[in-house]
Amino acid sequence: QVQLVQSGGEVKRPGSSVKLSCKASGVTYSTHVVGWVRQAPGQGLEWMGGLIPILEPVTSAQKFQGRVTFTADVATSTAYLVVSSLRSDDTGVYYCVRVDPAGALDIWGQGTVVTVSA
Amino acid sequence: QSALTQEASVSGTVGQKVTLSCTGNNNNIGSNPVGWYQQISHGAPKTVMFADSLPSGIPDRFSGSKSGTTASLTISGLQPEDEADYYCGTWDYTLSAYVFGSGTKVTVL
Repeated sequence: QVQLVQSGGEVKRPGSSVKLSCKASGVTYSTHVVGWVRQAPGQGLEWMGGLIPILEPVTSAQKFQGRVTFTADVATSTAYLVVSSLRSDDTGVYYCVRVDPAGALDIWGQGTVVTVSA
Repeated sequence: QSALTQEASVSGTVGQKVTLSCTGNNNNIGSNPVGWYQQISHGAPKTVMFADSLPSGIPDRFSGSKSGTTASLTISGLQPEDEADYYCGTWDYTLSAYVFGSGTKVTVL
């Protein structure tokens, strides 16, 4: 059974960076693709991007371009998201989600709470 | 503002059939399969439908359809545990992104 397990919550100062992880179990990373979705407090789901072959060379949604970096470690089946120049409106829950070959977002991580506060 | 339009709320009694809609355009829903995501009490989303296929473990009272640029999720025989927020989503390759609706809150009366 495929599971995505995300890293723990983070509290960051404005202007700093945060690195989030998403480890897959039950499948080798080379056989699946991971995207990232953010949910601000009281708001809906927002696509951030990921290393998605069907979107290459674009990796991130326009809103996040220049501030987010997506990487992957195939050896450990772990995907990473770095968000830099953090602002208070980056506060929210960050989810990783598997994208299957048909383009379905089928398996979600449990989410990581990121709080940006001075 | 979300790329896809959903009703803010839908309600029904136990056993009733409810239908949620999701409207987009030819660049997103009109061209690509639609997913539906259930979020209970602000927990992690769960995929309950992709195109017209049920993921493993999802009850068959959930069904999905699409006509043109509008997709629908139907819950036939509403249950108390179905009370949740439901988001639709699909790819929009003109934006190089996955786009979501604003979500529909389903209340079981």
